[in-house]
Amino acid sequence: SQQGEEDPQALSIQEGENATMNCSYKTSINNLQWYRQNSGRGLVHLILIRSNEREKHSGRLRVTLDTSKKSSSLLITASRAADTASYFCATDIISTGTASKLTFGTGTRLQVTL
Amino acid sequence: EAQVTQNPRYLITVTGKKLTVTCSQNMNHEYMSWYRQDPGLGLRQIYYSMNVEVTDKGDVPEGYKVSRKEKRNFPLILESPSPNQTSLYFCASSLSRGSNEQFFGPGTRLTVL
Repeated sequence: SQQGEEDPQALSIQEGENATMNCSYKTSINNLQWYRQNSGRGLVHLILIRSNEREKHSGRLRVTLDTSKKSSSLLITASRAADTASYFCATDIISTGTASKLTFGTGTRLQVTL
Repeated sequence: EAQVTQNPRYLITVTGKKLTVTCSQNMNHEYMSWYRQDPGLGLRQIYYSMNVEVTDKGDVPEGYKVSRKEKRNFPLILESPSPNQTSLYFCASSLSRGSNEQFFGPGTRLTVL
């Protein structure tokens, strides 16, 4: 299965509500990143949290990281219709050598209705 | 404007007909990579490049080739496309290591008949 797996697969909320999505991973990481993808378009980087950080904020976004549980959560507060998109977590796995890559999960599809 | 561009955006082709998808970035990034996105499978890395003339396989390299002759360009080549390569393809770049924030192109939707 995937290194990063998001939960839930789909989420539908009303505008103004908070949206929480989770990501679990299997192996130790250097950092974890969250990306947003509007339908059929390229991914856009939202936030990066390093393995020695526990929480990070960016505007209406709040990301937490629990390395003991190998999990992360993305909270979007006061959601807007424009937040409708798919959200992916990506993990930078600790490995030998200088090469590294991100491994993406399968995403959470968020629908925000008026 | 800092960006990653891909061409073409849409392509319908037939089995066995060689094709190239171009990717170009104007941010002087060292690291570039190709992903394919399929329903239920998320994004999977095909190939990546740490710098000019340095390329390596990702998770799903079979049936693909790449080259990195210039820093800004990283074309994806399908020598003999097959229907199982029908997918949405993304090129991405980042400043150095693959673990930095990656900037994605708009995607190329490929259909192989």
